[in-house]
Amino acid sequence: EPEVTQTPSHQVTQMGQEVILRCVPISNHLYFYWYRQILGQKVEFLVSFYNNEISEKSEIFDDQFSVERPDGSNFTLKIRSTKLEDSAMYFCAITSGNYAETQYFGPGTRLLVL
Amino acid sequence: AQRVTQPEKLLSVFKGAPVELKCNYSYSGSPELFWYVQYSRQRLQLLLRHISRESIKGFTADLNKGETSFHLKKPFAQEEDSAMYYCALNGKLTFGQGTILTVHP
Repeated sequence: EPEVTQTPSHQVTQMGQEVILRCVPISNHLYFYWYRQILGQKVEFLVSFYNNEISEKSEIFDDQFSVERPDGSNFTLKIRSTKLEDSAMYFCAITSGNYAETQYFGPGTRLLVL
Repeated sequence: AQRVTQPEKLLSVFKGAPVELKCNYSYSGSPELFWYVQYSRQRLQLLLRHISRESIKGFTADLNKGETSFHLKKPFAQEEDSAMYYCALNGKLTFGQGTILTVHP
């Protein structure tokens, strides 16, 4: 089973600050995904990333969000100017093949915006 | 738009009892359906997917296109089955709200 790590595990930030969440797959993968889960709510899709570009994004993924693979391995989610409502658990997921294959999730980053 | 509904937020059963976690979906095309599980302090992990038709840890799920359902079943629940269970749809996963299953000794 592919392994995915995420850093940091927890982050506390002030409203308006930029945060970068990192996803590190242990081996080469093609599809990357970011999801978030606000406390007490369902897991929500944010964005999918294939072949170094966004393949699909949700309405949540507005101009405050961006994703990239800066060094060909790490996959990052940046929130430019955090809002209180960005407080959530953020999960990275990967697949090694087709779009609809099993997704392997990272442990998540808990973001708290004060 | 695609949607997944898990009507039960909490489900409690006793060890050895049958368990069924309900999932209904809404999708106009041909669905890919998954059950993910999250044990305490662990990451989300795949339990099973309809296309493989496997039985994992004694769990099975049958896709019923007529009823647009993908209910998860196990004939004899075990205490270690206690976890949060999510039904999910398609590649860009649309998740249900999740059901917390508690199996009492």
